[in-house]
Amino acid sequence: AQSVTQLDSHVSVSEGTPVLLRCNYSSSYSPSLFWYVQHPNKGLQLLLKYTSAATLVKGINGFEAEFKKSETSFHLTKPSAHMSDAAEYFCVVSDLPGAGSYQLTFGKGTKLSVIP
Amino acid sequence: EAQVTQNPRYLITVTGKKLTVTCSQNMNHEYMSWYRQDPGLGLRQIYYSMNVEVTDKGDVPEGYKVSRKEKRNFPLILESPSPNQTSLYFCASSPRTPDTQYFGPGTRLTVL
Repeated sequence: AQSVTQLDSHVSVSEGTPVLLRCNYSSSYSPSLFWYVQHPNKGLQLLLKYTSAATLVKGINGFEAEFKKSETSFHLTKPSAHMSDAAEYFCVVSDLPGAGSYQLTFGKGTKLSVIP
Repeated sequence: EAQVTQNPRYLITVTGKKLTVTCSQNMNHEYMSWYRQDPGLGLRQIYYSMNVEVTDKGDVPEGYKVSRKEKRNFPLILESPSPNQTSLYFCASSPRTPDTQYFGPGTRLTVL
């Protein structure tokens, strides 16, 4: 069985300062991991994904995430926050095919606020 | 334009009145899925489909039905809606899984 925990429901940063959104996962197999972003009243958009290649993954808009198997973590970072980054972010886990399930599990989300 | 469409976008109905929310994708994707989004709970998967005539339950399937008779369409059926099914629903598709999900614009459902 798989699960994902986003450790902060709300993160507030000042514009120009670093962003860190934390995600821990649990998976019986080698997982695939994703981060999605949802701007207010919009659908979801993929930021980045990890699928067993390089452990440091670069995404859109300057975001990146590092897969750490020993810590079962997949934290999302950005060096410098922009006002347009204010949104809700979701960490997602999926066991690889062959695990018997093609289910996707979302975290409960982290709302990022950016203060001018 | 590659997209996932959902209809209707907004729906207000009453308890027990059967309804269908349609979902269609034009990208020839194999995998399609339905989610509901509730405040503080994130997105929870209702049903997913790996291909035509292949569907499986997600985390919260109770009270919902789906069908996948054609590759492009994946309707969500509520046979007897109840107020606890009031939510924001998203349909998504991907070429295969695990892979990038392309989300529809959402359907806001209110059951009175």
